[in-house]
Amino acid sequence: SYELTQPSSVSVSPGQTARITCSGDVLAKKYARWFQQKPGQAPVLLIYKDSERPSGIPERFSGSSSGTTVTLTISGAQVEDEADYYCHSAADNNWVFGGGTTLTVL
Amino acid sequence: EVQLVESGGGLVKPGGSLRLSCGASGFTFSNAWMTWVRQAPGKGLEWVGRIKSKTDGGTTDYAAPVKGRFTISRDDSRNTVYLQMNSLKTEDTAVYFCTTDGAYWGQGTLVTVSS
Repeated sequence: SYELTQPSSVSVSPGQTARITCSGDVLAKKYARWFQQKPGQAPVLLIYKDSERPSGIPERFSGSSSGTTVTLTISGAQVEDEADYYCHSAADNNWVFGGGTTLTVL
Repeated sequence: EVQLVESGGGLVKPGGSLRLSCGASGFTFSNAWMTWVRQAPGKGLEWVGRIKSKTDGGTTDYAAPVKGRFTISRDDSRNTVYLQMNSLKTEDTAVYFCTTDGAYWGQGTLVTVSS
């Protein structure tokens, strides 16, 4: 089975750039997605195909990929970006999620 | 507007069964691959399983922890996907979400397995 590894937490001050990494062998051959989840809410798709942004997602959210690591970058993080962030990939008819990263903006 | 609405959650004893439903609107349901994801209290997201559209074979895949106990089915005439959960364990306690392959999500329904 595949595994995706994320840091458990990241902290930045408002206006700073936040970077959340996700590592896993599957990422060398399969696309990643990123989801944002706020307490009590359903996840929201932020990034797909490593770096594509769905309509309605602010431009400060971007994704990149290099080898077995993908990175979610939040440029100019805002207080409202405090949330849990999950990377995701799919292979062999299975989905796999990273363990999640709690972003604190204060 | 795409809407997904889960229902059927509740309290069930270990070893019991429960069927969750997810009603869909706002898109062509029959063409969609539908996925169930769960989240145990205070934990991360966990994939449960997925059903393909009938035109793509209608086949299902399941995560190892639920394989053989959970069954996903769909009724395209009702725009609904189901999750039949049998032989429930305490570790199945979670909020269960349905999603259209990640792009759209329902609000989730809570399943509590406890004696």
